[in-house]
Amino acid sequence: AQKVTQAQTEISVVEKEDVTLDCVYETRDTTYYLFWYKQPPSGELVFLIRRNSFDEQNEISGRYSWNFQKSTSSFNFTITASQVVDSAVYFCALSERNAGNMLTFGGGTRLMVKP
Amino acid sequence: ETGVTQTPRHLVMGMTNKKSLKCEQHLGHNAMYWYKQSAKKPLELMFVYNFKEQTENNSVPSRFSPECPNSSHLFLHLHTLQPEDSALYLCASSQDRDFYEQYFGPGTRLTVT
Repeated sequence: AQKVTQAQTEISVVEKEDVTLDCVYETRDTTYYLFWYKQPPSGELVFLIRRNSFDEQNEISGRYSWNFQKSTSSFNFTITASQVVDSAVYFCALSERNAGNMLTFGGGTRLMVKP
Repeated sequence: ETGVTQTPRHLVMGMTNKKSLKCEQHLGHNAMYWYKQSAKKPLELMFVYNFKEQTENNSVPSRFSPECPNSSHLFLHLHTLQPEDSALYLCASSQDRDFYEQYFGPGTRLTVT
């Protein structure tokens, strides 16, 4: 079973639309971290956010917001008023203490924002 | 200066060649990583070094040989590769390997002919 599932392989929106990228994870660890990364066409993964398992407070950073819900094992990412520059592949990742703190990535969601 | 740099950015090599990928981080981190990203596959962790010591080898074939001479530099030596080894090879670093976010380089696009 996949530890990190990003069910949406590709999403296409028009500029200024809001879009939510889903991430569902699986772990038996009580101590873990969740991450989101952005991979633009240039190839470099850009770190966006890290959340620990003890902090379910949602976070907002500009047009980006994250909704962490342990009850549903989800860590969803919303982009408000999307822009063409948001076009990229977005990866959700999990780091578990019992797995040596290594990152396990989901399959990624390709977001295309059209003008 | 960019946090994590990788050279070369693109590499084409024959199956009998020997080449090396280089990664350098300017962030003062103590852990460095090699990942492989193939089309339609999740990122695969290959190797982890923490304070210059290899701590993870994720069942990587011996035709890939890592080297970490110091905490700022990481190499991946390649020899007798197969066409299925063609992929984007990403280097990353983090404060250490204990839960910190990893910062990635731009990757080396490797094509094995």
